Amino acid sequence: GAGVSQSPSNKVTEKGKDVELRCDPISGHTALYWYRQSLGQGLEFLIYFQGNSAPDKSGLPSDRFSAERTGGSVSTLTIQRTQQEDSAVYLCASSSSRGQQETQYFGPGTRLLVL
Amino acid sequence: SQQGEEDPQALSIQEGENATMNCSYKTSINNLQWYRQNSGRGLVHLILIRSNEREKHSGRLRVTLDTSKKSSSLLITASRAADTASYFCARFSGGYNKLIFGAGTRLAVHP
Repeated sequence: GAGVSQSPSNKVTEKGKDVELRCDPISGHTALYWYRQSLGQGLEFLIYFQGNSAPDKSGLPSDRFSAERTGGSVSTLTIQRTQQEDSAVYLCASSSSRGQQETQYFGPGTRLLVL
Repeated sequence: SQQGEEDPQALSIQEGENATMNCSYKTSINNLQWYRQNSGRGLVHLILIRSNEREKHSGRLRVTLDTSKKSSSLLITASRAADTASYFCARFSGGYNKLIFGAGTRLAVHP
């Protein structure tokens, strides 16, 4: 299909390990977003990429979280030294926005469980 | 919190009944969106209503927006078991493109 894809679907890891989550946006979409959905916090914004501009990292909860977007397409969200409170569903979205408030299309998410 | 408020938190109805979910927000908006989420996974975009619109329809969905009250409602008519999901309203944060989501309404439609 032509939608946003994410991998893996599920990830179980041990506390202290690093994890990488991948997002493939819709082809041609210049904007890419990461959100996190956890029981205690609901849906919250993490980071936003727009073309070649510097990303908006204002939602990242700590310096253990980082993300990159290579070639303006695929993005990887990395969580270092995972903690149990990192357990959540991580959602990626993309849009064709170039500064306009357009519809964001979401992937199926990665469910992360930190033991 | 920047999140809007949604009510009810949970709604349980029988198939064929209508379901109404409400959303309130605190700041001015250019538009407001509604999303559906099945089984805690990906969000599906349902409808976007702009600030100069008062009502919008899409199939069995009807969304209203009252900017004076800073509130919106989503009505699902003639509900089906397949409508069972969580429904979220979302608005953009200021001039940025990041979405601020409400807490959501969990809808259960029983056959």
